[in-house]
Amino acid sequence: KAGVTQTPRYLIKTRGQQVTLSCSPISGHRSVSWYQQTPGQGLQFLFEYFSETQRNKGNFPGRFSGRQFSNSRSEMNVSTLELGDSALYLCASSPEGQDQPQHFGDGTRLSIL
Amino acid sequence: GDSVTQMEGPVTLSEEAFLTINCTYTATGYPSLFWYVQYPGEGLQLLLKATKADDKGSNKGFEATYRKETTSFHLEKGSVQVSDSAVYFCALSPGAGGTSYGKLTFGQGTILTVHP
Repeated sequence: KAGVTQTPRYLIKTRGQQVTLSCSPISGHRSVSWYQQTPGQGLQFLFEYFSETQRNKGNFPGRFSGRQFSNSRSEMNVSTLELGDSALYLCASSPEGQDQPQHFGDGTRLSIL
Repeated sequence: GDSVTQMEGPVTLSEEAFLTINCTYTATGYPSLFWYVQYPGEGLQLLLKATKADDKGSNKGFEATYRKETTSFHLEKGSVQVSDSAVYFCALSPGAGGTSYGKLTFGQGTILTVHP
């Protein structure tokens, strides 16, 4: 079974630009969560989508948004990029159920110049 | 809110040494607990899980027991290998019936280095 696929693996942007990251979950998984990983803040939850609906959201500004398509693939968008948005962005998918483990992709490394 | 605290790192061991990485948590209800491992340049891989009190998760020689009385989920391995060098994360989710959908709360991570 194919794992979670994130594209692209690396991105370099400049301040003020916007960026879209993509995530394809494991087949059959309908829940997709996004996380930001930085050396200073560790792993922080961004949001979760299920059946094209955002069910949960972390404490990030409105510049961070996402969506999920009918095939469960998900995208996240960051607008007006800031230097502090440089991070590894991880996507995870899971079957329905809060006791189910999440399975992570290898992430997208975003660097802001 | 929910929180996870891992032992201060990094941890440096010789091959075949015994490993313990401490993890304690604060949560309401009955969370599910997980250990994830991250190798350089990769995402997180699920190492083991436990979904209720006294459950023992195990995988690849690693073990952890869900201790509700001490709110702990310590990771142990009897004999580490060089290939175990990685960053280890303890995490919790609200568990069955919880409403904080899709959110894992992570500890700060523990860097493990194993020398030959």
